[in-house]
Amino acid sequence: GAVVSQHPSRVICKSGTSVKIECRSLDFQATTMFWYRQFPKKSLMLMATSNEGSKATYEQGVEKDKFLINHASLTLSTLTVTSAHPEDSSFYICSARTSGSYGEQFFGPGTRLTVL
Amino acid sequence: GNSVTQMEGPVTLSEEAFLTINCTYTATGYPSLFWYVQYPGEGLQLLLKATKADDKGSNKGFEATYRKETTSFHLEKGSVQVSDSAVYFCALLEGAQKLVFGQGTRLTINP
Repeated sequence: GAVVSQHPSRVICKSGTSVKIECRSLDFQATTMFWYRQFPKKSLMLMATSNEGSKATYEQGVEKDKFLINHASLTLSTLTVTSAHPEDSSFYICSARTSGSYGEQFFGPGTRLTVL
Repeated sequence: GNSVTQMEGPVTLSEEAFLTINCTYTATGYPSLFWYVQYPGEGLQLLLKATKADDKGSNKGFEATYRKETTSFHLEKGSVQVSDSAVYFCALLEGAQKLVFGQGTRLTINP
């Protein structure tokens, strides 16, 4: 299957700083990428849908000014957590969708963010 | 809104045991249903899917049948292996591309 990578896999930062997470589709082009957040023992919750070359579509309750998403190319989307606080600590997962009406989502391995 | 409920884990079984992980859903209409598996240190991978009622998805010895009468999509395997240890997620497709996930069930298989 197609491969999606995330970088970094783990990051620890101080409260108030910003953190950028990259999501790359390694062997296919993805016009649509997705960002999820996973809390312990909870399901993955979709944060936003990212379309190449246009603004991301955020789910209800997700602060777009706090979670900045950039999908500048067909193989790269970035999530920037701005002015991070301890409550932003979580596991962030991206996925990339292959093209076509029946496109499949392929998931990255996730990024563990810890805000001190 | 649409939602997915999975049986709570963790689930611990011995090798060659029979596995069932329950999944029920609440949805408008009849969405496509999926099981994803996440092995340690890896991303979620599609395990199997069913796109309409009474469809049976199968892969790697796992099976799940789309039951609209009971709004269920239970995952089963007749004889599990240590290598099946992972976290399993049930999901439905809302609209064209939005996946709605259950909370995941951690499965551990002991030799």
